[in-house]
Amino acid sequence: DIQMTQSPSSLSASVGDRVTISCRASQGISSSLAWFQQKPGKAPKSLIYAASSLQSGVPSRFSGSGYGTDFTLTISSLQPEDVATYYCQQYNSYPLTFGQGTRLEIK
Amino acid sequence: QVQLVQSGAEVKRPGASVKVSCKASGYTFTSYGMNWVRQAPGQGLEWMGWISGYNGDTNYAQKVQGRVTMTTDTSTSTAYMELRSLRSGDTAVYYCARDPSALESSCPDYWGQGTLVTVSS
Repeated sequence: DIQMTQSPSSLSASVGDRVTISCRASQGISSSLAWFQQKPGKAPKSLIYAASSLQSGVPSRFSGSGYGTDFTLTISSLQPEDVATYYCQQYNSYPLTFGQGTRLEIK
Repeated sequence: QVQLVQSGAEVKRPGASVKVSCKASGYTFTSYGMNWVRQAPGQGLEWMGWISGYNGDTNYAQKVQGRVTMTTDTSTSTAYMELRSLRSGDTAVYYCARDPSALESSCPDYWGQGTLVTVSS
């Protein structure tokens, strides 16, 4: 199975800050990577697919990059409503696997 | 608009089975797949498997293989996930999540609201 490792596990940032979350795959996955946002008590929401393509309706302050084994989710200007846990997921090969999550809080 | 509405919470005894439904609307069911993902209390997301809305092909995670069956009813645009021989470690919120591909699993784009399954004696 492909292991997905996110860093950091948690972070605290101020409103307006630029925030980056990293995701590393244990082997190359091309651009078969997605990012999800999950707010407390809610279902996950899809943010990004194919490493850098924004899902419909997702604010443009979210962006993704990377290829192969190293990927990044960036929030260009943190907003209060961005408080959530973020997960990466690879879909290059079965079984699909998720990172352990990154909890984002407002400082 | 795309909607996935799941069945309500369940409480089951160890050894029992549970069947969770996911009714889809707002799109052509047979042109997409459906993933099932679960989340144990306070834990991360775990992919359980995928089913094609087109031909019923499935792919299951090895961890639940042999205990899980995913099916669809195209006449009602509903996907089902049945898990048998339940144990306490199966206590989780179970999500259905639409897959843009009807041929193989990729990344979910729309998610159901989740169904809490509690396994307790």
